[in-house]
Amino acid sequence: DSGVTQTPKHLITATGQRVTLRCSPRSGDLSVYWYQQSLDQGLQFLIQYYNGEERAKGNILERFSAQQFPDLHSELNLSSLELGDSALYFCASSTGTSGTDTQYFGPGTRLTVL
Amino acid sequence: GNSVTQMEGPVTLSEEAFLTINCTYTATGYPSLFWYVQYPGEGLQLLLKATKADDKGSNKGFEATYRKETTSFHLEKGSVQVSDSAVYFCALSDLRNGNQFYFGTGTSLTVIP
Repeated sequence: DSGVTQTPKHLITATGQRVTLRCSPRSGDLSVYWYQQSLDQGLQFLIQYYNGEERAKGNILERFSAQQFPDLHSELNLSSLELGDSALYFCASSTGTSGTDTQYFGPGTRLTVL
Repeated sequence: GNSVTQMEGPVTLSEEAFLTINCTYTATGYPSLFWYVQYPGEGLQLLLKATKADDKGSNKGFEATYRKETTSFHLEKGSVQVSDSAVYFCALSDLRNGNQFYFGTGTSLTVIP
C-alpha cells in the first residue's frame, strides 16, 4: 500500500459527459501528479500540483483540468468525454519537487467512456 | 527533449533464469533514473532508483547502474521467480520541469515454473 488513495476505482460514463477523479496523497506529501495510462499512448504525464499551485503541465487536453485543495487532495476533471479518453488514470505524490524524489502511485481509476 | 526507450516485450523466462531489461534515455541535464513495477490490477511501485552517474540502485535482487557514458539504466536480476511476473517501467525525472517523469513503454515479464 503506497498510502495514496484514489476514488472511484471504476467509472463508466457516456460520451459528452463530465467526471471528477479524486486523489489523496500520502501524509506529508505536497506534490501531486496525474498520469494517463492507455494501451496506445503508454503512461503519459498530465499535470502536477505542488502545495496548491500548478507546477508543471504535460500532455493534458484543454477539456481536462485539475486542482489541489488546501488539505492537499487533488481532483482531475474530465469534460466533453470522448471514447479515446477511456484509460487508467493514476495519481502519484511526492514530498517535494526535487528530481530525486520518489513518486508514490495510487491504485488508479479506470475510466470507460461508452 | 527527454525520452526513455525500453526493450520491447513481452519477455518470457523460466524460473531461476537471468533477467536483463534494457533501458536507454535521452535527457537534457542530469536526471534521476527509476525502475517501477506494475503487478496486474495494481498501481506502479518503485523498484529502485539512482540519482547520479555510476550510482547503482538495488532492491529485491534487482539491480541497475546509471551509466552516463552510454545513457543507459538496464535492469538485471540473477535468478527470477514466478512472483516477478509483472510489467516493468523505466523512467527519468526532469527536475527543470517540476520533477515531471518520463516513462518508457513498459516491458511485460512472465516467469514460468
